[in-house]
Amino acid sequence: RKEVEQDPGPFNVPEGATVAFNCTYSNSASQSFFWYRQDCRKEPKLLMSVYSSGNEDGRFTAQLNRASQYISLLIRDSKLSDSATYLCVVNGGSNYKLTFGKGTLLTVNP
Amino acid sequence: SQTIHQWPATLVQPVGSPLSLECTVEGTSNPNLYWYRQAAGRGLQLLFYSVGIGQISSEVPQNLSASRPQDRQFILSSKKLLLSDSGFYLCAWRPLSGNTIYFGEGSWLTVV
Repeated sequence: RKEVEQDPGPFNVPEGATVAFNCTYSNSASQSFFWYRQDCRKEPKLLMSVYSSGNEDGRFTAQLNRASQYISLLIRDSKLSDSATYLCVVNGGSNYKLTFGKGTLLTVNP
Repeated sequence: SQTIHQWPATLVQPVGSPLSLECTVEGTSNPNLYWYRQAAGRGLQLLFYSVGIGQISSEVPQNLSASRPQDRQFILSSKKLLLSDSGFYLCAWRPLSGNTIYFGEGSWLTVV
């Protein structure tokens, strides 16, 4: 099983749609979880951290299920500007390194 | 506020030539520093990380090396580049008290 595995995508959705990304991780000792966003040919940027109780930031909702070792990201009311690759990121039990999923490409169409 | 700078942004190098990518962080002390590589169609691969001056951990055996001569400076090098070294190289830092990492703008390397 890969350390961090994401939906392969790509996702093509119309503006205003709701889209959900899923991610699973293999290391049960993992403590920190994040979603990053990467625009084409740019560096990844932190979108949001994922907390045990779930958390929301505007149109974005992240959830964590430790028992199933599963993370999700929900985007409501998609905007054209949401088009990007979304990376699931997990601390692999070490304080020093984060492991990235391969990412899921989202394209929001007008 | 903290900033991270990485250079050069783009370079084209012949096979067998040396490489030096440099990264500096400002506005913080004793950060954890990282070098990642993102090859075409692949995810981010951790190459090296450093928890202090002169302390380098290698994640993937290859013809690359890293050095940390100063607290906020991290250098990625190669003596002889291979075609397979082409990719997007990203320097990143993590504050001592946090879990989130922040990336530099990246360096696009094409080995020809």
